[in-house]
Amino acid sequence: ILNVEQSPQSLHVQEGDSTNFTCSFPSSNFYALHWYRWETAKSPEALFVMTLNGDEKKKGRISATLNTKEGYSYLYIKGSQPEDSATYLCAPRRGNTDKLIFGTGTRLQVFP
Amino acid sequence: DTEVTQTPKHLVMGMTNKKSLKCEQHMGHRAMYWYKQKAKKPPELMFVYSYEKLSINESVPSRFSPECPNSSLLNLHLHALQPEDSALYLCASSRAPGELFFGEGSRLTVL
Repeated sequence: ILNVEQSPQSLHVQEGDSTNFTCSFPSSNFYALHWYRWETAKSPEALFVMTLNGDEKKKGRISATLNTKEGYSYLYIKGSQPEDSATYLCAPRRGNTDKLIFGTGTRLQVFP
Repeated sequence: DTEVTQTPKHLVMGMTNKKSLKCEQHMGHRAMYWYKQKAKKPPELMFVYSYEKLSINESVPSRFSPECPNSSLLNLHLHALQPEDSALYLCASSRAPGELFFGEGSRLTVL
């Protein structure tokens, strides 16, 4: 069983605040880490795929870092906007397989 | 066409009914997935097809029967379901492992 924990479970921030949350996963047999965003009433969408220890990825105001040795990834949102409100899911992959198991998710709500 | 289309969007069925969920993609992706999502939980992997062959079955009960008639289509046949099977069923496809394109889901209610 792949134990993937995300914290916090939920987060409420004001527009303009910067925020970050964590994905923790077993570091053994690590292959890749995927981040997804899932807005209410829409489909989950891929944000980042990260493979190397120390990787940093950025898309607009959202960035992510990866530590494969200690088994965690951080997702940062700079200057949160209401449209950032969504559930953010991480999914580590062990080996080059199609098996993608999602973490528990962090639900972000950004208030105007 | 960058969409994964799922039908129906909503389905209500009795425990003795037989129904199917359908999923279609025209992106030429080689892998297709079924996930089940219950309220306030992450999507839970059920099945993966790769090149039209079942490659992953996450110990799903036999009342759920997947089928991949061709590279663009994925079905999930439902028979003798229980009320606890009520959930959102998400289909996804991918060209590369882990980089999934999801449909909007089929909301299933079992009475």
